[in-house]
Amino acid sequence: QPTLTQPPSVSAAPGETVTISCSGGSSNIGNNFVSWYQHFPGAAPKLLIYDNYKRPSGIPDRFSGSKSGTSATLVITGLQTGDEADYLCGTWDNSQTVIFGGGTKLAVL
Amino acid sequence: QVQLQESGPGLVKPLETLSLTCSVSGGSMREHYWSWVRLSPGKGLEFLGYLSLTGSAIYNPFLGGRVFISQDRSDNLFFLRLRSVTAADAAVYFCARGPADSPLSYDSSGFSHYSYYMDVWGKGTAVTVSS
Repeated sequence: QPTLTQPPSVSAAPGETVTISCSGGSSNIGNNFVSWYQHFPGAAPKLLIYDNYKRPSGIPDRFSGSKSGTSATLVITGLQTGDEADYLCGTWDNSQTVIFGGGTKLAVL
Repeated sequence: QVQLQESGPGLVKPLETLSLTCSVSGGSMREHYWSWVRLSPGKGLEFLGYLSLTGSAIYNPFLGGRVFISQDRSDNLFFLRLRSVTAADAAVYFCARGPADSPLSYDSSGFSHYSYYMDVWGKGTAVTVSS
């Protein structure tokens, strides 16, 4: 099935800013809305961003999302050690299912 | 605060049917879409399907027609059945709440766009496939 492409890992120091990309195509990101999830191993994924840039209640504005064409980006500012997790993008694909990226492991050095 | 809890057998034999239940508490099932998602080391996160506001279901077409999702709204439960399981179906299975409105919208040019996201998740239940 179609998948979204994310970098396997990113890293940055506490306080810095990190950008995580999510690349797709016209059948998914290009024509539908993107969401982002934070996942700690052994826990349930947590919704960070929906509809490309909207934050659910309780999500700090350190987390922001954007979309351009067939790619989306998650930006995390003011990195904290507690942000170390996997980050996954998701969107609808016109094959009639939700698809996800492979996830990006964030290391806060 | 809505909470979801998955339950079901942790071990299923090859070629048998996996059956899981999601219990919804703290809210009504009538006001949202409801989904099943699984996570495995080999495939990452994989969407299995959802139940709409009307109770109709959409299934991941890449699962070969093996998925069936149903509900019992009176008891705030929804269910997953996955037929003919193999080792590739071993995963942590999550139930999750989808949007409150139709995920389908149209822009000013008449093009359709889909917004399906999941804002509340259960803790997940691990399923192993082995004889």
